[in-house]
This record gives sequence, structure tokens and C-alpha cells, in this order.
Amino acid sequence: QKEVEQNSGPLSVPEGAIASLNCTYSDRGSQSFFWYRQYSGKSPELIMSIYSNGDKEDGRFTAQLNKASQYVSLLIRDSQPSDSATYLCAVRNYGQNFVFGPGTRLSVLP
Amino acid sequence: NAGVTQTPKFQVLKTGQSMTLQCAQDMNHNSMYWYRQDPGMGLRLIYYSASEGTTDKGEVPNGYNVSRLNKREFSLRLESAAPSQTSVYFCASTESTEAQPQHFGDGTRLSIL
Repeated sequence: QKEVEQNSGPLSVPEGAIASLNCTYSDRGSQSFFWYRQYSGKSPELIMSIYSNGDKEDGRFTAQLNKASQYVSLLIRDSQPSDSATYLCAVRNYGQNFVFGPGTRLSVLP
Repeated sequence: NAGVTQTPKFQVLKTGQSMTLQCAQDMNHNSMYWYRQDPGMGLRLIYYSASEGTTDKGEVPNGYNVSRLNKREFSLRLESAAPSQTSVYFCASTESTEAQPQHFGDGTRLSIL
């Protein structure tokens, strides 16, 4: 069983719509959760961090965490073609390591 | 503000050749990591260094060695390159506390013929 799972996509949404990206994790001891955006041929770039249950908003991005369900999501409002990228979910527990999901490829259609 | 710097950016090797990938960070981070990224496989941890003077194996360490030269630098060595090691390699660093995210370098694209 993979420790962090994401739908690989591609997830296609029209410009202006809400894109919803989902991630589940297996380690109940996980404490910190991160969303990275990776454009093709580039390195991962941190866009959101979340540590406690509930929602965290930053501009057009909202991260949602539900530790009981071991579920974290990223909502992108008013999606733009420039949001087209692969989104990586990463989970960190009490140790030093991060566990990454395989990523969801998002395509925003103009 | 360089952040995490990796060299080289691109490299082509022949099977059996050796090389070292260099990584340096200027954020005074304690922990550093080497990942490889292959299509459809996500980021896989090769080795990490929780602090200066320590290194540990990750998920896919076979065929690689690392050196934590000092707090800033963490190198990855391929002793005898194999075509299966063709990949994009990312170095990352972070603070030791659990709440801190990783910061990535631009990557090294390595092809082994």
C-alpha cells in the first residue's frame, strides 16, 4: 500500500472553474502536510502548508485537512491556464522524511 | 537569494562511468535530501542527511553514495553508472522541525547511455 496516494489525472477543468485535488495518506502519525506545484521540466515549488484540521486559505488556493479521515485536499478557485501543472502532495511525520504522492496532473482549458 | 543550488544541470554519461552531483544550500538548514524523479513514479528518496555528519538510506539507495561535506553541501556519487539511473535528480533542504517544508534545487537531468 502506497503511503501517500493521489489520482494521477489528468484532471481537466475549464478556465474560471474550481479545481479540486485530493490526497490520502496512511500514517496516522503524520503532522505536516504540503502541496507543491511542479511545472514540466521544473522543480517542485511549495504553494501551501497545513498542520491542523480545517481549511487554510491563501489567495486562490485553499488547503483542507481531515486527520480523522487521513485526507488532505487543495482547491484552486478561478483556475487559470497558468495553473496547469502537476501538483504533489507531501506528508511529514515526526521523523526527518517527507513522503510524496505520485502527483496529479492538472490541465486548465482556456 | 540562491536557496538550493545543484550542479551540473545536465549530464550525459556512458555506462560504467562515475560522477558526483553537487548540492549546496545557503539557508542554514540542518537537513538535506537527494531524490530521483522518473515519469509516473513521483519523487523517490535516495539518501538524506538529518544533520551535518550523518547520512541515512532512503527508499532507493542502491548504486549511490553520499557525502555531507559540511552544513551547506551534500553530494551524490554514482560509482558505476547504469542506464537505470537515467533520471532527474533533485536536492532539497529543510529545517529539522516537523512543520518546515522542503526547498528544492533546479534539478540535474542525467542520461546514461
